[in-house]
Amino acid sequence: GAGVSQSPSNKVTEKGKDVELRCDPISGHTALYWYRQSLGQGLEFLIYFQGNSAPDKSGLPSDRFSAERTGGSVSTLTIQRTQQEDSAVYLCASSLLGTGDGELFFGEGSRLTVL
Amino acid sequence: KQEVTQIPAALSVPEGENLVLNCSFTDSAIYNLQWFRQDPGKGLTSLLLIQSSQREQTSGRLNASLDKSSGRSTLYIAASQPGDSATYLCAGLTGGGNKLTFGTGTQLKVEL
Repeated sequence: GAGVSQSPSNKVTEKGKDVELRCDPISGHTALYWYRQSLGQGLEFLIYFQGNSAPDKSGLPSDRFSAERTGGSVSTLTIQRTQQEDSAVYLCASSLLGTGDGELFFGEGSRLTVL
Repeated sequence: KQEVTQIPAALSVPEGENLVLNCSFTDSAIYNLQWFRQDPGKGLTSLLLIQSSQREQTSGRLNASLDKSSGRSTLYIAASQPGDSATYLCAGLTGGGNKLTFGTGTQLKVEL
């Protein structure tokens, strides 16, 4: 695609429900990142995928968070048993090279509100 | 652990003024440094990318410099316009090339 696409753009859910956020990276980009931006705070790294290598999950805040990337393309971030503190904008980015040479391109984000 | 700081946190200038946004980082072993722009309610738009071997990059009215030895980067905006109003974020890529650490951002307002 022309850019990184994320869906849904907005999601309102009740505390305790599970949510799935989707990211469709730029075609051909081997690296994919998830970040979280909470109100009034900076961007927080969550997880990184690079090709067929094992993902770097070191930024996931708890075991309620998980992510997968199927076929080296689309990625899904899943949050189980959502809590109010999970409310944030979840941003996905992709890069042609994940070795520090590549420029990161971000999607518009998925705004999650947990009531 | 990489820490990135941006000064000032907010800046208001009259249209036409040249301005400098500052970014400092603690770990000089960065692979690259990237400047982004974020409009309210939107995602991040990449402005400039400086590789670790480079000193500066230019795009239109924007010029970004990188000094790894001092742990600093600056974004220079020439002849500012109201359309430049946004939050500007710098981010350094470190840790094996897989973690982009963001600064806290500078909220810029360019007034008519």
